[in-house]
Amino acid sequence: GAVVSQHPSWVICKSGTSVKIECRSLDFQATTMFWYRQFPKQSLMLMATSNEGSKATYEQGVEKDKFLINHASLTLSTLTVTSAHPEDSSFYICSASLSGYEQYFGPGTRLTVT
Amino acid sequence: GQQLNQSPQSMFIQEGEDVSMNCTSSSIFNTWLWYKQEPGEGPVLLIALYKAGELTSNGRLTAQFGITRKDSFLNISASIPSDVGIYFCAAHGSSNTGKLIFGQGTTLQVKP
Repeated sequence: GAVVSQHPSWVICKSGTSVKIECRSLDFQATTMFWYRQFPKQSLMLMATSNEGSKATYEQGVEKDKFLINHASLTLSTLTVTSAHPEDSSFYICSASLSGYEQYFGPGTRLTVT
Repeated sequence: GQQLNQSPQSMFIQEGEDVSMNCTSSSIFNTWLWYKQEPGEGPVLLIALYKAGELTSNGRLTAQFGITRKDSFLNISASIPSDVGIYFCAAHGSSNTGKLIFGQGTTLQVKP
């Protein structure tokens, strides 16, 4: 139980284009979903908290116009990286919370912007 | 802000050895979680702790929620090569947002 999927698992895009990453909770309804970014050999950095039907709450320093988050249902959240640049290249991971305590993570999406 | 100090940063051990890692903080937390992350994958939840003093096992893994609520440790007994990965502690902060604070991670390498 508590399976979270992400799609795509990796993506390469050209600078200036937008990329959408999907996060789905497959066997439970998530009250909250979270988006993280991880650089090599570093810990996870929270980008935003997303609740179904409401606007996402972004962490300090994260540009909300650049990283658009839509939480359309209790099982789906999307992150769109708009006008991507090489510095946006990273490993993006989502998580979903059932009870508000435990977070279950997706497998991550490797974004490379050329 | 709230921070978790995780140690050691890395460990290189022989197969069969026991492993211990811990997380400490100057802040009090209500929930401690331990995750394992393998290269190119998302973290996988290993153990969740909800009460101060709680000791919980998951196979060869044992974790404890410190009595002061400011620390937690994870032990792995009789390590095997597939234990290789990065182990993260995480804890719920004082807000009710559900946000987790993560430690810096402990990289474990096991020599067969």
